[in-house]
Amino acid sequence: AQKVTQAQTEISVVEKEDVTLDCVYETRDTTYYLFWYKQPPSGELVFLIRRNSFDEQNEISGRYSWNFQKSTSSFNFTITASQVVDSAVYFCALSEAKTSYDKVIFGPGTSLSVIP
Amino acid sequence: DGGITQSPKYLFRKEGQNVTLSCEQNLNHDAMYWYRQDPGQGLRLIYYSQIVNDFQKGDIAEGYSVSREKKESFPLTVTSAQKNPTAFYLCATEIAGGPDEQFFGPGTRLTVL
Repeated sequence: AQKVTQAQTEISVVEKEDVTLDCVYETRDTTYYLFWYKQPPSGELVFLIRRNSFDEQNEISGRYSWNFQKSTSSFNFTITASQVVDSAVYFCALSEAKTSYDKVIFGPGTSLSVIP
Repeated sequence: DGGITQSPKYLFRKEGQNVTLSCEQNLNHDAMYWYRQDPGQGLRLIYYSQIVNDFQKGDIAEGYSVSREKKESFPLTVTSAQKNPTAFYLCATEIAGGPDEQFFGPGTRLTVL
């Protein structure tokens, strides 16, 4: 069965510190997709990244970077030099895409607070 | 502006009443979803629709109903049969043929008094 675990419920960091949000997933399928979404206090989820199971290259986008390791079923997200605007709830999600629709399983989320 | 609108932002309901949450999109996306979010939990799928006049139950459909008469609209009705409806409800859209990123509306916070 699909499952996404985000063991860190809440994290607090001081501005400019680096922070890594952990994501561990479970799936029996060989083809799947992983996502990260950001939910700021306004409530609307914002897409950050999609990664398919065949692409293990790490990705960097500005201050954001993602480390995908199939060997440990992890898809961790690092924010470098955190800013107050990074304060939000971050969700990791998994889609196997073999059902009749693109079912997405969301993790419970990690609430990040960046303190000025 | 292209996007998804949900209304109302806050909704209060008395026990035993049905309420309808609105979701409208002008992104021309075929697929639309309704999720429920409870504190400390991820999003759980209520209903989804991949095409007009067709929709399917998600993981927690009991006590909810939907319609998809227009591509742009996917309203969700929370019926009196839903035992614990107080939650944050999010509507999302996706270009068909994914899985791809989903676009989310601002959400409706429903409170049962």
